[in-house]
Amino acid sequence: SAVISQKPSRDICQRGTSLTIQCQVDSQVTMMFWYRQQPGQSLTLIATANQGSEATYESGFVIDKFPISRPNLTFSTLTVSNMSPEDSSIYLCSVRSPRIDNYEQYFGPGTRLTVT
Amino acid sequence: GQQVMQIPQYQHVQEGEDFTTYCNSSTTLSNIQWYKQRPGGHPVFLIQLVKSGEVKKQKRLTFQFGEAKKNSSLHITATQTTDVGTYFCAGQKGQGAQKLVFGQGTRLTINP
Repeated sequence: SAVISQKPSRDICQRGTSLTIQCQVDSQVTMMFWYRQQPGQSLTLIATANQGSEATYESGFVIDKFPISRPNLTFSTLTVSNMSPEDSSIYLCSVRSPRIDNYEQYFGPGTRLTVT
Repeated sequence: GQQVMQIPQYQHVQEGEDFTTYCNSSTTLSNIQWYKQRPGGHPVFLIQLVKSGEVKKQKRLTFQFGEAKKNSSLHITATQTTDVGTYFCAGQKGQGAQKLVFGQGTRLTINP
């Protein structure tokens, strides 16, 4: 399994500002993902963070709002830009097992964001 | 697009009762996974099902994958208070880099 850490664990931000969330994995992984989970809701995939190239965004999410960096195989950042109260959510970093034919994913502890 | 529906949304049981959550996909899946999220925690992988009709057991938990690879279930026998949490199914349509699509989750609460 992979151990994932995220920073910050929580933050309260003012609307119009930006927050960068860091995700660090204890091993090299190819597939890294960013999810959003609103309280009591399911997980929604924001984007797949690709090492050395632009992230792949899901419908409804755009690079200008959620820029992602993936400088190497153990680290990624997600920025939530020009925040509004609707961005209040838990943001989760996730990686996929590197084993062949094993598709399980490991999740970080999440970053709880509140926008006022 | 691909959708994964999960029912029920909530389930409250007495400790010792059984619990089942069901998952249905609009499309055939290559595999389905189950995750558990404790209150205040993050999703934790439970199991992966790949084969048509597959049944796997983990102690009191039984997981099934339908013959058509479109539906799945998780059954917990004789629930314990440690089983409290939200159970998510997540389906993958293709192999390799295909994304996981999560169901809405079933939140299980237990009366001790």
